[in-house]
Amino acid sequence: NAGVTQTPKFQVLKTGQSMTLQCAQDMNHNSMYWYRQDPGMGLRLIYYSASEGTTDKGEVPNGYNVSRLNKREFSLRLESAAPSQTSVYFCASAVGWDTGELFFGEGSRLTVL
Amino acid sequence: QKEVEQNSGPLSVPEGAIASLNCTYSDRGSQSFFWYRQYSGKSPELIMFIYSNGDKEDGRFTAQLNKASQYVSLLIRDSQPSDSATYLCAVNQGGKLIFGQGTELSVKP
Repeated sequence: NAGVTQTPKFQVLKTGQSMTLQCAQDMNHNSMYWYRQDPGMGLRLIYYSASEGTTDKGEVPNGYNVSRLNKREFSLRLESAAPSQTSVYFCASAVGWDTGELFFGEGSRLTVL
Repeated sequence: QKEVEQNSGPLSVPEGAIASLNCTYSDRGSQSFFWYRQYSGKSPELIMFIYSNGDKEDGRFTAQLNKASQYVSLLIRDSQPSDSATYLCAVNQGGKLIFGQGTELSVKP
């Protein structure tokens, strides 16, 4: 049982390049989330999808876009990467938007030069 | 001011002692509260949740909630070196799970 799978695990970009972080869950969860984690800042919510077909902004959505491709997959896109987007990105899923029990992927470490 | 605040630490306690981790939140409408543990280089995992005022115990862990004071805490009794990790407080705000900055706990043998 894979749980939540994120790809890639590591990526180095140059300023201005674009990329997509992929996330897939096999737990039949309805809700999916993208967070970023920076030293001393905890986890900050970028975007979330309470259910298939819906997406909403979190605390720090600027510079990102998301797509809930289907119930299993939720991708995060950086259209024009900036050094401030250097971070560890976590995807998570939950049975429902109101449960609070999130299952996290292993994280994707992104460096923007 | 962040919506969910924690002391970043590090908090250092000797093995066998009680570790006390604190969290305050700003949204009075919040109804559910969570504690996650994150080992260095790993992803967070849920260890406790609490919805009602008072205490909730699970093994060596006790979560405490005071909605009037907008305060949540986590007590770890008989702390072990394996409890050394960052503890993240999280508050569900209308479907968005908002995290504090985390408190780093170090348990010394």
